[in-house]
Amino acid sequence: GEQVEQRPPHLSVPEGDSAVIICTYTDSATAYFYWYKQEPGAGLQLLMSVFSNVDRKEEQGLTVLLNKKDKQLSLNLTAAHPGDSAVYFCAVSDQGGSAKLIFGEGTKLTVSS
Amino acid sequence: NSKVIQTPRYLVKGQGQKAKMRCIPEKGHPVVFWYQQNKNNEFKFLINFQNQEVLQQIDMTEKRFSAECPSNSPCSLEIQSSEAGDSALYLCASSLHPNTEVFFGKGTRLTVV
Repeated sequence: GEQVEQRPPHLSVPEGDSAVIICTYTDSATAYFYWYKQEPGAGLQLLMSVFSNVDRKEEQGLTVLLNKKDKQLSLNLTAAHPGDSAVYFCAVSDQGGSAKLIFGEGTKLTVSS
Repeated sequence: NSKVIQTPRYLVKGQGQKAKMRCIPEKGHPVVFWYQQNKNNEFKFLINFQNQEVLQQIDMTEKRFSAECPSNSPCSLEIQSSEAGDSALYLCASSLHPNTEVFFGKGTRLTVV
């Protein structure tokens, strides 16, 4: 079945710097891709979703790139600030018919002021 | 912001006790998912519904876990006989269609003592 690997597991950046998180997936038929943010004690906040016909999507300081050739999905937080500190997860939609999400392992981002 | 409502936020049960948690999906969302997130940030898909019908459930759910999404009532997930290994964050999510954006609630943190 589909497998998703996410890196790095931990990322520390100073305020104002960019932070890049990368996920690789295995099923070339995967069509839906998501990035979620989880703050301590909270659920998952949907940051951005992309369909497979999109290579690049930008919203509110976030850039998602989808490289279907390499089966790679990335999230770039430009000009990170301390409020961005959280755990970030990529997720892809399973193509097996259930529509369940397959998650990456998560990246704990710390933005220092 | 997600409008998926989960109750209770925290649940403490003894081993062998029943544990029940509820979820009100976002209004108009007929697809509901339950996931288990352990302390290592690993997600396990448990079950999903479209309206009141089960789309897919894993073997674990079929044994000690039960879930339902009755019409005009909250969805629920119940563990018949809690085990220490069930301690986790249980996340409910909903979407408008299978394979569209999935919105999560804040979760129910279950501790089995």
